[in-house]
Amino acid sequence: SQQGEEDPQALSIQEGENATMNCSYKTSINNLQWYRQNSGRGLVHLILIRSNEREKHSGRLRVTLDTSKKSSSLLITASRAADTASYFCATDEESYIPTFGRGTSLIVHP
Amino acid sequence: DTAVSQTPKYLVTQMGNDKSIKCEQNLGHDTMYWYKQDSKKFLKIMFSYNNKELIINETVPNRFSPKSPDKAHLNLHINSLELGDSAVYFCASSQRFLGQSRGWHEQYFGPGTRLTVT
Repeated sequence: SQQGEEDPQALSIQEGENATMNCSYKTSINNLQWYRQNSGRGLVHLILIRSNEREKHSGRLRVTLDTSKKSSSLLITASRAADTASYFCATDEESYIPTFGRGTSLIVHP
Repeated sequence: DTAVSQTPKYLVTQMGNDKSIKCEQNLGHDTMYWYKQDSKKFLKIMFSYNNKELIINETVPNRFSPKSPDKAHLNLHINSLELGDSAVYFCASSQRFLGQSRGWHEQYFGPGTRLTVT
């Protein structure tokens, strides 16, 4: 089965709005990471949050982790057209193997 | 000053051929990875090397063989290519894998190699 599932699969918003995407997993993790992938490019690391952390910030990005619900969320505030990309969460819950979800496709309309 | 580079960027070949994809990182990382991303963007790890030692070897046909001549390079050789091998292949690197109890560091990805088998 596929771990690290993102939700929603697709998100379309206007510039300036906030975008929230979620990631769920099934067992236990050491850390959870979020990546961005622009069309035709490789993935770029955004934030790593450890299992003993609840929230991390990086610029306009805010990541939360709720280990009791086995879920994480990525919030992008004041979105820009340049934020248009696919966003993936990755966990190490399958033993130590990095496991990625299928991603959330975000479109920000100017 | 490219951190993780892959060659070629595009590879179009016929079924049955053998091809290689090369990957190099200049970040001084100890761990390197190969991933396959299908047309639905599902990204799945194939192999990982930690300082030239194979540490992850997922369920991949044995037509796929990784080779790490040194810790800065991880190449992927594919024999007898099949239509289903068409995908984008990504190389990545990270600092040394921390072990099963502590997980792994953030990964740096190459630009990908789009393989099309006809």
